[in-house]
Formats: sequence, structure tokens, C-alpha cells
Amino acid sequence: NAGVTQTPKFRVLKTGQSMTLLCAQDMNHEYMYWYRQDPGMGLRLIHYSVGEGTTAKGEVPDGYNVSRLKKQNFLLGLESAAPSQTSVYFCASSGLRSDNEQFFGPGTRLTVL
Amino acid sequence: GENVEQHPSTLSVQEGDSAVIKCTYSDSASNYFPWYKQELGKGPQLIIDIRSNVGEKKDQRIAVTLNKTAKHFSLHITETQPEDSAVYFCAALKGGDISNFGNEKLTFGTGTRLTIIP
Repeated sequence: NAGVTQTPKFRVLKTGQSMTLLCAQDMNHEYMYWYRQDPGMGLRLIHYSVGEGTTAKGEVPDGYNVSRLKKQNFLLGLESAAPSQTSVYFCASSGLRSDNEQFFGPGTRLTVL
Repeated sequence: GENVEQHPSTLSVQEGDSAVIKCTYSDSASNYFPWYKQELGKGPQLIIDIRSNVGEKKDQRIAVTLNKTAKHFSLHITETQPEDSAVYFCAALKGGDISNFGNEKLTFGTGTRLTIIP
């Protein structure tokens, strides 16, 4: 099992450009999450999903959109990137309950110039 | 919403000594408290968790205690080793099954960078 994988690993964008981050999990998990990690601020939840076609807002959803068209994939989109979105993005997944262990991917380092 | 505070932000401990990291939470309805370890360049990994129906849980050199009345929980690492050096995050959640969808968000503390001095 690969667990949770994220692509790409690194990306540099210019302000106003768009991009999509892909998360894939092979554990048949119901829940999937997108977090951002900034120095001194821990992990903050952007959006999450409890199954195909379902999404919900987290703590910092503005400027991001998500889609869960297939159970194993969770996409995070930035329509018009801003320097404030420079961060490390982590995807995670967990089982049938929100209080199951979350398994994290290796992260994507995004820089917006 | 839930607010989780974590202290200290950095901690240096001599190898073999114990390390303690403390967290407080604000929502008395929170019932699940995991601890994650993040090594450099990697995603966080669960090391231990506790639910609100127990006060203490141990797993070899790691233990977590929970005080529901005071709304705080702590991570204890005994006989520290160099491989314990990492960033540790506490978190809190009012967990449940899919019927609770929309209300269950894991809130993380800001992290503690633990350095074990050989």
C-alpha cells in the first residue's frame, strides 16, 4: 500500500495563476482532508470530505476549492494564487469515523511569487 | 469553535531524561485527543491518542494524560532518545460517525519542537 500520496511535491506559481493539487489514498478511507502548515501556526484545516461528492469547509477555506469525484482522490484547487497561499499543504485521510487516525501524505511545498 | 493551546513551543532535553508537552482546549464537548509527531520533511504521524472516557494511556515510553475538568492533556516521553527529536502536535476533536458530518474538525495546537541532546 502506498498510503496517501500527493502530487506535485514542489511548485512555484506567480500571483494570479491557478493550479490543482492532487491527493490519492489506497486505504478505502471515507474521510479526506486538506491542511496548510505555516510556521508557528500548526496545521489548519482548509476543506474536508466524508465521501464522494461531499465537501465541507474547514477553518481557512477562502481562496480554495475542492472536489471529491472519486472516493480515492481529493483535489485542492487555487483559482487565483496569492502570496498569502505560500505554504506547505498536507492531505490526510481517515476511516469511517472522524475520530479515527488520520494518515498524512508527504506534503506539497507551494511558493507564490 | 475549538481552540487548542500548546506549550512549550521549543523544548530541549538531555538524552535519557523525560519530556512533557502540555495542551489546553476550550470546547468541553471535545472527546478525542490525538498526538502527532512530525519529522523533518515528512507529514505528521499519529503516536498516541486518548478519548474522554479515560484519564491516562501508555504505550511503551509514551504516555498521555487527560484532565477533562481542567480541559488539559499532556504528552509524556520517558527515557528520551535522539530519534525522539521532532515536532509534536496535540489536537482535539468532537468526533463521531458520518451522521455528525460538518461538525467534526480536528483542531491542532501550534506544535512543540523537541530536541534531544546526546
